Amino acid sequence: NAGVMQNPRHLVRRRGQEARLRCSPMKGHSHVYWYRQLPEEGLKFMVYLQKENIIDESGMPKERFSAEFPKEGPSILRIQQVVRGDSAAYFCASSPSSLSLSGNTIYFGEGSWLTVV
Amino acid sequence: GESVGLHLPTLSVQEGDNSIINCAYSNSASDYFIWYKQESGKGPQFIIDIRSNMDKRQGQRVTVLLNKTVKHLSLQIAATQPGDSAVYFCAENIQDGNKLVFGAGTILRVKS
Repeated sequence: NAGVMQNPRHLVRRRGQEARLRCSPMKGHSHVYWYRQLPEEGLKFMVYLQKENIIDESGMPKERFSAEFPKEGPSILRIQQVVRGDSAAYFCASSPSSLSLSGNTIYFGEGSWLTVV
Repeated sequence: GESVGLHLPTLSVQEGDNSIINCAYSNSASDYFIWYKQESGKGPQFIIDIRSNMDKRQGQRVTVLLNKTVKHLSLQIAATQPGDSAVYFCAENIQDGNKLVFGAGTILRVKS
């Protein structure tokens, strides 16, 4: 029973390029979350998605960042025209349904480390 | 606003001793709390969780205590081992929400 799978694990991009991070949730999980972690800091919420729907993107920068979770395939976090400040670890997490329901919790992947040079 | 904070950024303990990591939260509407362990270069690993209708929950070598009166959460690790060395985060979920809010983290160092 595979956990949350993220790829690539490490990604280097030059300023101005695009970064695409992929996340496959745990089997049976239909809720996906993206978090960003800067060095020596906690995780910051970015976006919460269900299949084909963005439920909460309150933590996502208004420009250059987008996320999707299509009916088929992994969730994608896309960063256009990357800048050095985008360098961070990006974690995906999944849950079977709402966190408010007893018995549900959220599991994280191993992260994608983006370095912008 | 929402915030989760940790009292101690770094905790050093001797191998075999018990560890207590503390966390304060500010949102009284939070009803679900999770402790995660994060090792260098890895993702957060679920340790234990607790819902607001409980004040204590035990796992293998770990216990989480929740005091809703003072909005305080703690993680107790019994017989701390070198493999427990990591950063520990508490996270809270606001009732009917789906957005974990993380604290800044506490570094646990286990001395052999």
